[in-house]
Amino acid sequence: DTAVSQTPKYLVTQMGNDKSIKCEQNLGHDTMYWYKQDSKKFLKIMFSYNNKELIINETVPNRFSPKSPDKAHLNLHINSLELGDSAVYFCASSRLRNTGELFFGEGSRLTVL
Amino acid sequence: EDQVTQSPEALRLQEGESSSLNCSYTVSGLRGLFWYRQDPGKGPEFLFTLYSAGEEKEKERLKATLTKKESFLHITAPKPEDSATYLCAVQGTSYDKVIFGPGTSLSVIP
Repeated sequence: DTAVSQTPKYLVTQMGNDKSIKCEQNLGHDTMYWYKQDSKKFLKIMFSYNNKELIINETVPNRFSPKSPDKAHLNLHINSLELGDSAVYFCASSRLRNTGELFFGEGSRLTVL
Repeated sequence: EDQVTQSPEALRLQEGESSSLNCSYTVSGLRGLFWYRQDPGKGPEFLFTLYSAGEEKEKERLKATLTKKESFLHITAPKPEDSATYLCAVQGTSYDKVIFGPGTSLSVIP
């Protein structure tokens, strides 16, 4: 059983399109995250939810909108995709909100053409 | 501004050749320092948490140590399966987010 699972693993799309990435965790954790890893491999936090409440909202364009229907799911919707959005997006979860012990999914590689 | 740097950027070792990776950090109050391993095409995998200067943690051939400004990941007699990117991250006392460093790409040659 995969602990943190993301779908799809790969997305290839045109500029201007809208896309969504879904994430589910079966660890019973209260906190979930979206991270972006760019071509230089830097991992940067985008959003964090604790029990469906948004607790971290970094400086991210409004085109990115997270949604947490319940504490086991965190989805990421991206509107009007731009070339610079190409990256690997990782979902993660943690048992507590103030810990750095994160469990990551395998990532979703987004390529915008 | 809180930040994390890692050196070297890349490291090639012969199998059995021990070495250390460095993580330097600037944070206004350290809640924790974390080491992760990331294999190509995979998400980072948590290895260790260190909370205070002088603390050490070990796992197989890896040992992590912490000072007030740096952490080291010592790799003793590495094997090819230790090849990966090793990421260091910090969390400050004034916020919940975790700040990652750029990583060190380790290659262990048989």
